[in-house]
Amino acid sequence: DIQMTQSPSSVSASVGDRVTITCRASQGISSYLDWYQQKPGKAPKLLIYAASSLQSGVPLRFSGSGSGTDFTLTISSLQPEDFATYYCQQANSFPFTFGPGTKVDIK
Amino acid sequence: EVQLVESGGGLVQPGGSLRLSCAASGFTFSRYDMHWVRQVTGKGLEWVAAIGTGGDTYYPDSVKGRFTISRDNAKNSLYLQMNSLRAGDTAVYYCARDRLTSDWHPWFDPWGQGTLVTVSS
Repeated sequence: DIQMTQSPSSVSASVGDRVTITCRASQGISSYLDWYQQKPGKAPKLLIYAASSLQSGVPLRFSGSGSGTDFTLTISSLQPEDFATYYCQQANSFPFTFGPGTKVDIK
Repeated sequence: EVQLVESGGGLVQPGGSLRLSCAASGFTFSRYDMHWVRQVTGKGLEWVAAIGTGGDTYYPDSVKGRFTISRDNAKNSLYLQMNSLRAGDTAVYYCARDRLTSDWHPWFDPWGQGTLVTVSS
């Protein structure tokens, strides 16, 4: 199985900050990498698919990059509604696996 | 509006069985691969099962042989039959739609609201 790691596990940031989250796969997954946002008590929401494509309706301050084994999710200017947990997920091969999550909270 | 609504969760004893349902609306259900994903309270996400438009099914080793995913296109419904349940299966179970023609390189959108399964004596 492909193992996914994320760093940091949590980050404290202020409104307006630039936040970068890293995701690493245990083997190459091309660009088959998706990012989700989850708020407490809610289902995950798709933000980025295929490593760098922004899902419809997602604000432009979110962006994704990377290929192979190393990927990043960037929030260019953190907004109050962005405080949440973010998960990466590899879509390269079965079984599809998720990273452990990165919690973004208020500094 | 595309919508997925899960039901069927509850309390079940270890070794017991439970069947989850997911009612789909707002899209042509038969054209999409579908998935189940679970989340232990306060923990991360685990993909549990997938079913293709042709009825092909896939599972991780953690549930293979115990869980069965199925679909009824006439009823726009997805199911997860869970047998031989263990305490470790306690989680919120989400159904999720795959993208159109994913060729099994999926992204999950949207997700249902989830249904809680608790396995305990």
